[in-house]
Amino acid sequence: DVVLTQTPPTLLATIGQSVSISCRSSQSLLHSNGNTYLNWLLQRTGQSPQPLIYLVSKLESGVPNRFSGSGSGTDFTLKISGVEAEDLGVYYCMQFTHYPLTFGSGTKLEIK
Amino acid sequence: AVQLVESGGGLVQPKESLKISCAASGFTFSNAAMYWVRQAPGKGLEWVARIRTKPNNYATYYADSVKGRFTISRDDSKSMVYLQMDNLKTEDTAMYYCTPITTRGFAYWGQGTLVTVSS
Repeated sequence: DVVLTQTPPTLLATIGQSVSISCRSSQSLLHSNGNTYLNWLLQRTGQSPQPLIYLVSKLESGVPNRFSGSGSGTDFTLKISGVEAEDLGVYYCMQFTHYPLTFGSGTKLEIK
Repeated sequence: AVQLVESGGGLVQPKESLKISCAASGFTFSNAAMYWVRQAPGKGLEWVARIRTKPNNYATYYADSVKGRFTISRDDSKSMVYLQMDNLKTEDTAMYYCTPITTRGFAYWGQGTLVTVSS
């Protein structure tokens, strides 16, 4: 199975600070069809996960543009440009290029 | 709007069985492969089971941790997906979510149903 390694496990940020979360895959996530099926989700405390980004860098409808995704192959990054209080929670990367699909272990974003 | 409503969770003892359900609406259910994903208390996300569509013979797949104990099924006429869980273990305690897989991944989530396995 593909292993997704997220770093850091915990991130402490002040409001307005820009932060990045890394997701590294044990194998390339480039599909034979040319797509890279790497997503980012956010789970706020006590809530269900919600999708943020799909296909590495495409924002889900309604997601603020302070969120951005980048990367290719095995190395991916989620960036928040100017953290807001509502951004706290646990961020997960997820891949479904290879079955079974797998999730990263999560990065907890805390606000100072 | 897409809605996913999971139900049927509860407290059961080890080795007992439980069947949870998910009612889907707002999309063409019969065209969507469906997943059950779970989250143990304080832990991350784990896929549990997957069922494909009729053209794919409703093929099913399971995580190693539940293979032989869990059975996923669907009723396209009712837009329902089910998870029959047998021989439950304490480590199966989790919130269980059903979600369709789309080209955007898991774009839709319900509120989940909590399964607690404890003596």
